[in-house]
Amino acid sequence: NAGVTQTPKFRILKIGQSMTLQCTQDMNHNYMYWYRQDPGMGLKLIYYSVGAGITDKGEVPNGYNVSRSTTEDFPLRLELAAPSQTSVYFCASQGAWWGDTQYFGPGTRLTVL
Amino acid sequence: QKEVEQNSGPLSVPEGAIASLNCTYSDRGSQSFFWYRQYSGKSPELIMFIYSNGDKEDGRFTAQLNKASQYVSLLIRDSQPSDSATYLCAVKGTGNQFYFGTGTSLTVIP
Repeated sequence: NAGVTQTPKFRILKIGQSMTLQCTQDMNHNYMYWYRQDPGMGLKLIYYSVGAGITDKGEVPNGYNVSRSTTEDFPLRLELAAPSQTSVYFCASQGAWWGDTQYFGPGTRLTVL
Repeated sequence: QKEVEQNSGPLSVPEGAIASLNCTYSDRGSQSFFWYRQYSGKSPELIMFIYSNGDKEDGRFTAQLNKASQYVSLLIRDSQPSDSATYLCAVKGTGNQFYFGTGTSLTVIP
């Protein structure tokens, strides 16, 4: 049982490049989330999904896109990378019970130069 | 806008002392409350959760919730150097979104 996995662990992009951050969970959770965490700051929600085929914007969605074709996978797409997207990205999943907590992946550290 | 506020610290306590971490939230409809610990360069990991007013104890950790005052706290007894980390307060409302505070940095001095 791997929990939530994310790839890659580290990535350096040039301005204007695109990439996809991968997130997979094996807990059969319906809910999945993408956060970014800037140095010394809390977690800001980018996008979330309540089930396959259903996604919604969070607090900071601009510059990102998501899709949810399966329960297990929730990739985050960065189009036209900008230095402001330099951050650590965390994926999380959560069960359906109202009291369930979120379980986090190990994170992807992204630098845009 | 739903807000979760924490004192960013840093909070320093000597080894063996009690560390007290505080969190306030703005949404009165919030139903569940979570404390996460985050070591530098690592992902958040759950320490405690609490749903009902009062205290909940788990080993050296005690979470306290006061919904009337919109206040949740975490006490760490017999603090150890390994407790040095950033502690994130998270609040879940009637939907499925979590709202995180910016975290309190704790240093336990040997």
